[in-house]
Amino acid sequence: DAGVIQSPRHEVTEMGQEVTLRCKPISGHDYLFWYRQTMMRGLELLIYFNNNVPIDDSGMPEDRFSAKMPNASFSTLKIQPSEPRDSAVYFCASRIGTSPYEQYFGPGTRLTVT
Amino acid sequence: GQQLNQSPQSMFIQEGEDVSMNCTSSSIFNTWLWYKQDPGEGPVLLIALYKAGELTSNGRLTAQFGITRKDSFLNISASIPSDVGIYFCAEDNTDKLIFGTGTRLQVFP
Repeated sequence: DAGVIQSPRHEVTEMGQEVTLRCKPISGHDYLFWYRQTMMRGLELLIYFNNNVPIDDSGMPEDRFSAKMPNASFSTLKIQPSEPRDSAVYFCASRIGTSPYEQYFGPGTRLTVT
Repeated sequence: GQQLNQSPQSMFIQEGEDVSMNCTSSSIFNTWLWYKQDPGEGPVLLIALYKAGELTSNGRLTAQFGITRKDSFLNISASIPSDVGIYFCAEDNTDKLIFGTGTRLQVFP
């Protein structure tokens, strides 16, 4: 079975550009999470969805960040405009509601903003 | 807010040695989770602990849920090179996972 799929794996962009990260959760999973990992702040939850509905976006740093989940098999995290401090590894994870702790993480997208 | 502090921050050990790391919290937890992140990958769940005092093993890994419910430790016995990675403790907070600061493990042959 395919795991969580993220694209792109690496993204290098210039400050001010729009960045869109993509995630395909595991089929049948009804929760989807977006995390950001940096050396300074560790692994932080940005936002999560249940049945495609955003439940908690309190971790989203500011208005430049937005996330959508138009259907059960696709989610995007968008940064507009991007800034150098957004450089990090962004992970998407999914789980099924009946198994609360077993979050399955994707391989991550390494974002570099110059 | 809740904080999960892990120690040590990093460890450099020789293959075959045992490893011990721990996680402490300022709050009482109902669940302790231990994840491992391999280089270039996302975290993977190793062990879940559900009640104070619980001791659980997964192969060479053993984890315990502290009696005070504010701490947990993870032991790895007879380390091997593939144990390299970052080990995170985490707490389940109504659907969300709060991750600790991580312990980076390096194993030398």
